[in-house]
Amino acid sequence: NAGVTQTPKFQVLKTGQSMTLQCAQDMNHEYMSWYRQDPGMGLRLIHYSVGAGITDQGEVPNGYNVSRSTTEDFPLRLLSAAPSQTSVYFCASSYSRTSSDTDTQYFGPGTRLTVL
Amino acid sequence: AQSVTQPDIHITVSEGASLELRCNYSYGATPYLFWYVQSPGQGLQLLLKYFSGDTLVQGIKGFEAEFKRSQSSFNLRKPSVHWSDAAEYFCAVGPNQAGTALIFGKGTTLSVSS
Repeated sequence: NAGVTQTPKFQVLKTGQSMTLQCAQDMNHEYMSWYRQDPGMGLRLIHYSVGAGITDQGEVPNGYNVSRSTTEDFPLRLLSAAPSQTSVYFCASSYSRTSSDTDTQYFGPGTRLTVL
Repeated sequence: AQSVTQPDIHITVSEGASLELRCNYSYGATPYLFWYVQSPGQGLQLLLKYFSGDTLVQGIKGFEAEFKRSQSSFNLRKPSVHWSDAAEYFCAVGPNQAGTALIFGKGTTLSVSS
């Protein structure tokens, strides 16, 4: 298993540009989440999903969009990037109905995004 | 409002000394509690979790945590700190044992002096 993969690892955007951060998992997990990490702020939940076709907002959803068309993928879209979205973004997944490992959340390696 | 408070931003402990990192939470439903560790430039690793039952839970790397419902606390402890424990520690609360949709504290940075 590759676990949780995120692409790209690094990205620089200009204000107003849009882009999609990719997240994929191969563990057949139902639950997936996106967090952003900023110095001194810990991790803050952006959006999460409890299954294909189901998404919900977290603490800081403004400026971000998500969809969950497949179990494996959970892309995060920045609609019009702003300097305030400069951050490290982590994707996480957990809970497989077909596995005994039902209570461990796995984090991806992160994407470092800079918006100029 | 749902929140997690880690009162100590930075703690320095001598190698071999004991450690306690504080965590207080505010959560409207049954809390599922977690401690994560993040080494510099790395992702997050789960140390331990509490769902129910025995209020003292054991985790990896010799860490333990005690859940106190009356104090809304979930403090992390280690009897003897090693230099490799220097990292940032995050307490989190969520709606289920799968650890999804977590609310994190702002973290405590642990430095270990020799």
